[in-house]
Amino acid sequence: DAGITQSPRHKVTETGTPVTLRCHQTENHRYMYWYRQDPGHGLRLIHYSYGVKDTDKGEVSDGYSVSRSKTEDFLLTLESATSSQTSVYFCAISRGLAGSYEQYFGPGTRLTVT
Amino acid sequence: EDQVTQSPEALRLQEGESSSLNCSYTVSGLRGLFWYRQDPGKGPEFLFTLYSAGEEKEKERLKATLTKKESFLHITAPKPEDSATYLCAVQETSGSRLTFGEGTQLTVNP
Repeated sequence: DAGITQSPRHKVTETGTPVTLRCHQTENHRYMYWYRQDPGHGLRLIHYSYGVKDTDKGEVSDGYSVSRSKTEDFLLTLESATSSQTSVYFCAISRGLAGSYEQYFGPGTRLTVT
Repeated sequence: EDQVTQSPEALRLQEGESSSLNCSYTVSGLRGLFWYRQDPGKGPEFLFTLYSAGEEKEKERLKATLTKKESFLHITAPKPEDSATYLCAVQETSGSRLTFGEGTQLTVNP
C-alpha cells in the first residue's frame, strides 16, 4: 500500500461541466502522475508533476489541466467535460530515485460524462 | 517514440499449466522495464523492475526475464488466483514517464 487515495471514486457528470479529481499521498513522494485507461489504448499519461508547482504534459493532455500546490495533493481538472473523457483515471506516485523508479498506483476514479 | 507490444492479448490456462507472456519494446535508451498486475476494478499493482539484459526476478510463481528487445513473464504452475491482467511498461533513461502496453488478460481455470 503506497498510501494513495483518489476522490471521488465514481462520478457521473454532464457534458460541458467542470470536473476536478483529487489524488492524495501520505508518503511525501516527489513525482505524481495522472493516467487514463481505456479499452484498446491501455494506460496513457495525461500530466505529471515533479514537485510543488512543477508540472508537465503527457501524451493525452488536451482538455485537461493540473495543479500541485502541496506535495501531497495533485489535482486533475477537466475544464469542460466531453463524452470522450469518459474513462477510468489513475493517479500514481514515484520516488524517482536511482534504483527506485517504479510507480505505484491509486485505486482509480471511474468518470462517466453523459 | 517508445513502443510496447504485449502478446497474447488473452490467455487461458488450466491450473498447473505453465506458460509465458511476452512484452516486446522499442525505446531509445532503457532505464527500466516494469511488470504490473491489475485486477478488475483496481489500480495496477507493481510486480518487478528489470534494468538490464540478462536480469531475472522472481516472486512466488512468477519470473520475469529481460533481453535487449523483449521481456517474458513466466508463470509456473499457475493457480486461479493468478488470474488478472498483466501490464508491461518501459521507462527511458531521459525521463520519468512510463509507456505501457495494452496488457495480457490471463485466466486460470481450476
